[in-house]
Amino acid sequence: GAVVSQHPSWVICKSGTSVKIECRSLDFQATTMFWYRQFPKQSLMLMATSNEGSKATYEQGVEKDKFLINHASLTLSTLTVTSAHPEDSSFYICSARRTGTGSAGELFFGEGSRLTVL
Amino acid sequence: AQSVSQHNHHVILSEAASLELGCNYSYGGTVNLFWYVQYPGQHLQLLLKYFSGDPLVKGIKGFEAEFIKSKFSFNLRKPSVQWSDTAEYFCAVNHGSGNTGKLIFGQGTTLQVKP
Repeated sequence: GAVVSQHPSWVICKSGTSVKIECRSLDFQATTMFWYRQFPKQSLMLMATSNEGSKATYEQGVEKDKFLINHASLTLSTLTVTSAHPEDSSFYICSARRTGTGSAGELFFGEGSRLTVL
Repeated sequence: AQSVSQHNHHVILSEAASLELGCNYSYGGTVNLFWYVQYPGQHLQLLLKYFSGDPLVKGIKGFEAEFIKSKFSFNLRKPSVQWSDTAEYFCAVNHGSGNTGKLIFGQGTTLQVKP
């Protein structure tokens, strides 16, 4: 099966610092990856679509300068939360779609990364 | 705005009981519908999906879901649950753009199956 791995799975940082979360497709190539955010007992909300070799597409209301996304290779996308504040504390989940499966291809999800900003 | 509503937040069943989890969505156009499951400590994984055709969809592990367009619903069912079905279940929708990445998720339902 297709495996997507996120790192770190859990991070605590001080307010004002930046945190980078990695999303890797381990056994397949993913031209497109997606970043979701989940608050406790709430649904996952799509933050942005990460496209290999091009700029990410952000959903309405998501600050581009706050949540920097880089998709430098077909197997890696990174989300950097810049100048993190306590309200950025959340569970961040990435998903990846296998290259060649088209826009209707199945998504494979990472295990999520829990960010706590003190 | 599109929304997805899962009516049951926490369901507790005994083994062999039947399961039905409700899911309603608000979008009026063509939709693609999904159910995902997240077992404790594991990733979200796809249970089943509906794009078109037969509105009764069969998924993995004995799950099925029925798309009822007139009711804007896509309820998940299983005739007889097992302890191993204990997990969080998410309904998700995207409109007919076909981009499976742009999903709108429901709040999730925690299913606890007692042995």
